[in-house]
Amino acid sequence: SQTIHQWPATLVQPVGSPLSLECTVEGTSNPNLYWYRQAAGRGLQLLFYSVGIGQISSEVPQNLSASRPQDRQFILSSKKLLLSDSGFYLCACWGRGTEAFFGQGTRLTVV
Amino acid sequence: GNSVTQMEGPVTLSEEAFLTINCTYTATGYPSLFWYVQYPGEGLQLLLKATKADDKGSNKGFEATYRKETTSFHLEKGSVQVSDSAVYFCALSPPGGTASKLTFGTGTRLQVTL
Repeated sequence: SQTIHQWPATLVQPVGSPLSLECTVEGTSNPNLYWYRQAAGRGLQLLFYSVGIGQISSEVPQNLSASRPQDRQFILSSKKLLLSDSGFYLCACWGRGTEAFFGQGTRLTVV
Repeated sequence: GNSVTQMEGPVTLSEEAFLTINCTYTATGYPSLFWYVQYPGEGLQLLLKATKADDKGSNKGFEATYRKETTSFHLEKGSVQVSDSAVYFCALSPPGGTASKLTFGTGTRLQVTL
């Protein structure tokens, strides 16, 4: 079965600093990969998805970017963090099954 | 577009009480429906799913039935435990869809007390 690794689990960063969150997938090949953000007390917002290496679709305009340098690696980045970037970031994978699998998440606090 | 509406939380219940978390959806055609659970500090785990009308998804004592006529997928459990305390998300994807089209509700927090 598919396993998704996300790191770090928690991160505290100052405003204006860069960001890099990494997600890797095991147990499947050529998956669709997704980054979601969950703001405090709110639902899940899809940020980016990728159907293959180098292919990124952005769902909402924002201060973040994503890259997929390898088939099973998905990276979320920012050059300069904003306070509003704080939240819980989840990586998800949709492989050959009929449902999405999620990583354990990264809690980002921008101070 | 597609949308999912869940009941507002938090829902607070005593252990062994009956649980219902309402979920209704708006979508064209016959979407697949899901319930995901998020335990404190963790990611989402699939709890159950149903892919066509009248299907019943079940897992760990939880059940939900895909009702096309009422566009609903309510989550139920006959006797909740403290360990069920978590946030529950209802979600849908269109036929043949992927997570890029996976639409979530806002989540319902469940607190179970002794």
